[in-house]
Amino acid sequence: QKEVEQNSGPLSVPEGAIASLNCTYSDRGSQSFFWYRQYSGKSPELIMFIYSNGDKEDGRFTAQLNKASQYVSLLIRDSQPSDSATYLCAVNNAGNMLTFGGGTRLMVKP
Amino acid sequence: DAGVIQSPRHEVTEMGQEVTLRCKPISGHNSLFWYRQTMMRGLELLIYFNNNVPIDDSGMPEDRFSAKMPNASFSTLKIQPSEPRDSAVYFCASTRKDRANQPQHFGDGTRLSIL
Repeated sequence: QKEVEQNSGPLSVPEGAIASLNCTYSDRGSQSFFWYRQYSGKSPELIMFIYSNGDKEDGRFTAQLNKASQYVSLLIRDSQPSDSATYLCAVNNAGNMLTFGGGTRLMVKP
Repeated sequence: DAGVIQSPRHEVTEMGQEVTLRCKPISGHNSLFWYRQTMMRGLELLIYFNNNVPIDDSGMPEDRFSAKMPNASFSTLKIQPSEPRDSAVYFCASTRKDRANQPQHFGDGTRLSIL
């Protein structure tokens, strides 16, 4: 059973702080990793993807991948109330199927 | 460019009725996925197609569920007969199979309520 684990939260951070979201996965053969943001009542929206070990930055978002430890994280700098949402980690194991974690609910307080 | 288009956006029906959900993938995408999302179970993959052919339907909960993809631009998910426990949000997603490590793009979903 290929698993993707996330802390369900809620993770509460003050506005302007760094939010750190973590995800672990069980399949060492996993090749690519995606972060989706889902607002309440909306569909998942892709915000970041990463394939190689290390960091990848896009604006206020940084994805970090450590394949040896089988974890991937998402950092959100200068968190805004509009970042309040559920963040889903998804892992590609083979072909183009994705396995999703249960999501972490982030709350950014003004 | 148009994204993944799903219809209807909302469906309320009585148990025992047939329900048909529809999806149009992004043009040029050749893989299509049907998901179900509930608070209890999160996002679950029901079935996916490559080039209109069903590849993995192990997530389909029961024989009451069926899915078809008659052509590259249209897919349906049917529930017959429907039950209250089928109430959930159903998402369709698409991607390109012929490129590695491609993300999936989601439609807006169908919120299904079975009374």
